[in-house]
Amino acid sequence: KAGVTQTPRYLIKTRGQQVTLSCSPISGHRSVSWYQQTPGQGLQFLFEYFSETQRNKGNFPGRFSGRQFSNSRSEMNVSTLELGDSALYLCASRGAGGRDTQYFGPGTRLTVL
Amino acid sequence: AQTVTQSQPEMSVQEAETVTLSCTYDTSESDYYLFWYKQPPSRQMILVIRQEAYKQQNATENRFSVNFQKAAKSFSLKISDSQLGDAAMYFCAYRSAMDSSYKLIFGSGTRLLVRP
Repeated sequence: KAGVTQTPRYLIKTRGQQVTLSCSPISGHRSVSWYQQTPGQGLQFLFEYFSETQRNKGNFPGRFSGRQFSNSRSEMNVSTLELGDSALYLCASRGAGGRDTQYFGPGTRLTVL
Repeated sequence: AQTVTQSQPEMSVQEAETVTLSCTYDTSESDYYLFWYKQPPSRQMILVIRQEAYKQQNATENRFSVNFQKAAKSFSLKISDSQLGDAAMYFCAYRSAMDSSYKLIFGSGTRLLVRP
């Protein structure tokens, strides 16, 4: 089975722009979660989508949004980028069972100039 | 709110030796899951081991084992026969079993260096 894939792997944007990151989960997985990883704040939960519905959202401003499509692929969008949004954005997918393990993708490295 | 603390920013171990990484957590819940994830320099997070709080038996995966002390809220990872490939950031994580969503709360991580 192919793992979780994320595109693009690297991205450079300037302040004020918006960005869309994409995540394709493992085949058959219906849950996709997003995390932000920075040196200062560490790994922080952004949100989880399950069957196209947002199940939970972390403590991030409304500039961070996401969605999930019927094929379980997910996108996250960050509008009006700030320097502090520079981070590694990790996507993770899992199956439908509550005890299922979450598998992570390689991440998208976003740099905001 | 739950918190996870890893008090060792960096640890070093000689190849073939044993090392223990520490993790403590704070929660008022009785049912939860604990995880250790490994993040090598390539950045892809890999699950090393998981523990379910209602299970008293410590989880083991080959050279990796945990010491789960529920009353003390401690969850340490022991790596035996350390190998060069074990060098990575290790993150301890908590997940509530009461939450229908899958939200992991991570510690700040421990960088493990393996000396040849």
